[in-house]
Amino acid sequence: RKEVEQDPGPFNVPEGATVAFNCTYSNSASQSFFWYRQDCRKEPKLLMSVYSSGNEDGRFTAQLNRASQYISLLIRDSKLSDSATYLCVVTFGPGGYNKLIFGAGTRLAVHP
Amino acid sequence: SAVISQKPSRDICQRGTSLTIQCQVDSQVTMMFWYRQQPGQSLTLIATANQGSEATYESGFVIDKFPISRPNLTFSTLTVSNMSPEDSSIYLCSVKQDLVPNTEAFFGQGTRLTVV
Repeated sequence: RKEVEQDPGPFNVPEGATVAFNCTYSNSASQSFFWYRQDCRKEPKLLMSVYSSGNEDGRFTAQLNRASQYISLLIRDSKLSDSATYLCVVTFGPGGYNKLIFGAGTRLAVHP
Repeated sequence: SAVISQKPSRDICQRGTSLTIQCQVDSQVTMMFWYRQQPGQSLTLIATANQGSEATYESGFVIDKFPISRPNLTFSTLTVSNMSPEDSSIYLCSVKQDLVPNTEAFFGQGTRLTVV
């Protein structure tokens, strides 16, 4: 079983749509959780961290369910510029030496 | 944040040769990470490079194939040795805020390697 699993997509949605991505992780000792965005032929960049209480940043909402080992990302009012691959990332390891483990990514294509 | 300069940005190499990728960070960091991203795949951690000690390799990666140097707190190299077409991939270096747990990672722009 992969450490971090995501639906690969692609998700093809029209502008203005709401789309949700899911992610599960296998290691219950995972400590922190992120969503990264990767544009074609570019390096990954942090989109947002994910907290147990849930957090929102504009059109983006992230949720974490530790009991189910499940993370989600909701994008409202999709824009053409949201087209990218969204990577679910978890960390584990001792303190400041923890390392990031990436999911395979979910591709999103927003069309006019 | 951290600014990472990685080079070369791309290369085409003959099988059987080796390529060394350089990663320079604009601040001192204890840990640097090397990832591989094969076509259409996500990032796989190759190893963690700590200054002053040997790199720690992930399962499936060995030092003979991917030797790493870490001469100081702002620089690291990854060598892809005795290359084969299966090594064609993007290689990325990464850092996190020094020894602060659960912080975001920053990436270099990547090295796109094609082995022919």
